[in-house]
Amino acid sequence: SQTIHQWPATLVQPVGSPLSLECTVEGTSNPNLYWYRQAAGRGLQLLFYSVGIGQISSEVPQNLSASRPQDRQFILSSKKLLLSDSGFYLCAWGGTPIYGEQFFGPGTRLTVL
Amino acid sequence: QQPVQSPQAVILREGEDAVINCSSSKALYSVHWYRQKHGEAPVFLMILLKGGEQKGHEKISASFNEKKQQSSLYLTASQLSYSGTYFCGASARSNDYKLSFGAGTTVTVRA
Repeated sequence: SQTIHQWPATLVQPVGSPLSLECTVEGTSNPNLYWYRQAAGRGLQLLFYSVGIGQISSEVPQNLSASRPQDRQFILSSKKLLLSDSGFYLCAWGGTPIYGEQFFGPGTRLTVL
Repeated sequence: QQPVQSPQAVILREGEDAVINCSSSKALYSVHWYRQKHGEAPVFLMILLKGGEQKGHEKISASFNEKKQQSSLYLTASQLSYSGTYFCGASARSNDYKLSFGAGTTVTVRA
């Protein structure tokens, strides 16, 4: 069966510090991968998605970047965090929307102070 | 453009019914429904495709009205476990890899 891992689970970082969040998927190959951010009490904002190694599509211009160095690995990064980067970051994997659901990882709760 | 969900919040007693709507200004090809418990990741409930298909998951069902560009989620005989925030995610094309999510509807079921 497929599983999706994210780490760390929680993170507190000072403004201006770098960020690296990792997501890995097991039990499937060539998944579509997604990074979402959820601000407190808000909906899901799609940040990046990837349909293959090295292929990244950015949805919202911002202080973040994403990379997919391996088929089942998706990394979210920032060189300098802003206060507005705080939130709940969710990685998800799935096929095309018409054929299947997206499976979400457990999430990383990031607080930027 | 993200779909619009209504209502924003609803409070129910166990056994009561509720309807959550998800509307789009663009033509919809598929609608996904997810439920998120506080502090947890969203969990998939069901997917509906263009064609007015209706689906069910336990006592939760949904419909998709292509002409109205709207999907509705029906919570029937609600249980305490139904509490959470419900999100609809929509795609406009058959080859679209992305979902646009609504802002969510918070459902509280009380004993």
